[in-house]
Amino acid sequence: AQKVTQAQTEISVVEKEDVTLDCVYETRDTTYYLFWYKQPPSGELVFLIRRNSFDEQNEISGRYSWNFQKSTSSFNFTITASQVVDSAVYFCALSGTNSGYALNFGKGTSLLVTP
Amino acid sequence: EAGVVQSPRYKIIEKKQPVAFWCNPISGHNTLYWYRQNLGQGPELLIRYENEEAVDDSQLPKDRFSAERLKGVDSTLKIQPAELGDSAVYLCASSSPRDAYEQYFGPGTRLTVT
Repeated sequence: AQKVTQAQTEISVVEKEDVTLDCVYETRDTTYYLFWYKQPPSGELVFLIRRNSFDEQNEISGRYSWNFQKSTSSFNFTITASQVVDSAVYFCALSGTNSGYALNFGKGTSLLVTP
Repeated sequence: EAGVVQSPRYKIIEKKQPVAFWCNPISGHNTLYWYRQNLGQGPELLIRYENEEAVDDSQLPKDRFSAERLKGVDSTLKIQPAELGDSAVYLCASSSPRDAYEQYFGPGTRLTVT
């Protein structure tokens, strides 16, 4: 069975603060993918990143960075110098070969960035 | 290239009425998914198609929900009769092996059952 846990339900920060969103996963697949999606108030799901289980290199994209650690089954997401436009719900998700790559989502973390 | 298209975007119906949602995946994507997203939750898989075959419908409430994907392209998800608890956003996604199964989501259909 696959499971994704996002323990932080809501986070509120002031603009320009750094913020880290936690994601812990469980899977029996040896090959799997981890994702982060952003869902702004408009409702669409915006793809941010995908990592496969064989690539533990951290990734940085502008103000976004991701820390993948298989030893702790975690895939955390950090926003540096947060902006008001970062306010959204962020979902961590997991897919694997045994589920036909269907996504298992966490419950999401609602991030509010205030001026 | 056009993205995943869904219609309608919004639907309000009374309980016990039927409702149908339509999805047109990205051209060439043989895998199609229907997800349901309840308020304050992450999306949950309802059914997955490989071409025209439903290969995983274990989470589909079959007493009232049905789906089809004729000719392995467009798909329709139906609820009959709808219940108050069916109010949610219904998301369609598609993927292809050539894109390493990355899923592309449509804008969703927001269903309100009164």
